[in-house]
Amino acid sequence: QKEVEQNSGPLSVPEGAIASLNCTYSDRGSQSFFWYRQYSGKSPELIMSIYSNGDKEDGRFTAQLNKASQYVSLLIRDSQPSDSATYLCAVNARGGADGLTFGKGTHLIIQP
Amino acid sequence: EAGVAQSPRYKIIEKRQSVAFWCNPISGHATLYWYQQILGQGPKLLIQFQNNGVVDDSQLPKDRFSAERLKGVDSTLKIQPAKLEDSAVYLCASSLTDGRVYNEQFFGPGTRLTVL
Repeated sequence: QKEVEQNSGPLSVPEGAIASLNCTYSDRGSQSFFWYRQYSGKSPELIMSIYSNGDKEDGRFTAQLNKASQYVSLLIRDSQPSDSATYLCAVNARGGADGLTFGKGTHLIIQP
Repeated sequence: EAGVAQSPRYKIIEKRQSVAFWCNPISGHATLYWYQQILGQGPKLLIQFQNNGVVDDSQLPKDRFSAERLKGVDSTLKIQPAKLEDSAVYLCASSLTDGRVYNEQFFGPGTRLTVL
């Protein structure tokens, strides 16, 4: 059974600080990793994808992958109130166009 | 570029009734997915199509759920008969299958189903 684990939170971070979100996965053969942001009542929105070990930066977002530890993280720098949402970690087991396995999500609250 | 379209956005039915959801993927996207998201959980894959063929339906409750993708574009997901535990948001996603190893999936707005 493939599993993706996230701390459900809520994670409360002051405005302007760095928010750190973490995710672990059980399938060592997993190939690609995604972070989705989901506002209440809305559908998931892709914000980051990462496929190889190390860091990937896009604006205020940095995704980090460590396949040996089966660990993925998302850092949000200069957190804004508009970043308050649920962040879903998703894993694609075999690469290609396979369906994603999602974690339950971490609820992030940015305090003004 | 238009996103993934879904309808209806909301549906309320009684248990044992039937319901159908429609999805139109992003133009040119060969792969289409249906996910079920129960409140407080992450989305769970129900079925995956590539063009008009089923790739993975291992988590689809086939005694009551069915899906089709005729002509390899639009798709319909049906539940018959519905149970209380089917109350969820049904999300359609699509991805571009262009030979790259890693394909990103883009979601539609979802259909919120309430079964009474």
